[in-house]
Amino acid sequence: DAGVTQSPTHLIKTRGQHVTLRCSPISGHKSVSWYQQVLGQGPQFIFQYYEKEERGRGNFPDRFSARQFPNYSSELNVNALLLGDSALYLCASSLGHRAYEQYFGPGTRLTVT
Amino acid sequence: DQQVKQNSPSLSVQEGRISILNCDYTNSMFDYFLWYKKYPAEGPTFLISISSIKDKNEDGRFTVFLNKSAKHLSLHIVPSQPGDSAVYFCAASSEHSGAGSYQLTFGKGTKLSVIP
Repeated sequence: DAGVTQSPTHLIKTRGQHVTLRCSPISGHKSVSWYQQVLGQGPQFIFQYYEKEERGRGNFPDRFSARQFPNYSSELNVNALLLGDSALYLCASSLGHRAYEQYFGPGTRLTVT
Repeated sequence: DQQVKQNSPSLSVQEGRISILNCDYTNSMFDYFLWYKKYPAEGPTFLISISSIKDKNEDGRFTVFLNKSAKHLSLHIVPSQPGDSAVYFCAASSEHSGAGSYQLTFGKGTKLSVIP
């Protein structure tokens, strides 16, 4: 079975630009969560989506938004990029919104210059 | 305020010996705990978990111990193998703001090096 997939693998953007990151969950998983990991830190929760609805949001500004599609794939959008947005963005999927074990994709490395 | 703490940034262990990775938490609302392993350029890989109603869970070479009164958990790897060399993250699950969302809160990680 395919695991969680994310695209693109790497991305370089300029300050002020917009970026869209994509995630496909494990087949049968209905919940997708997004995390940001900066160097030297653990992943930090951004959003959880379940059945196409936002179920939770971490302490991130409104420049960050996401959505989930009918096939349970998801997009993370970040507007007005700042240098501090440079990080590894991880997508995790789980069976349901209460499923404790989350399975992570390989991540998208975003560099903002 | 860091709710999940891994106070050892790194640990070196000889091959065949036991590796013990520690994690402390402050939020008594955490009800499930997980350990993830991460290699460079890869996402975290789920290793083992434990419910807050248990004090031990074992899976092959990996055992997780939970001491709720001390708000402490540990991961034991026996015997340690060179392929275990990676960054290990402790994570705790809680309901996010009562909204029916369950988020993971991670520690900063411990880099384990298993020396052949």
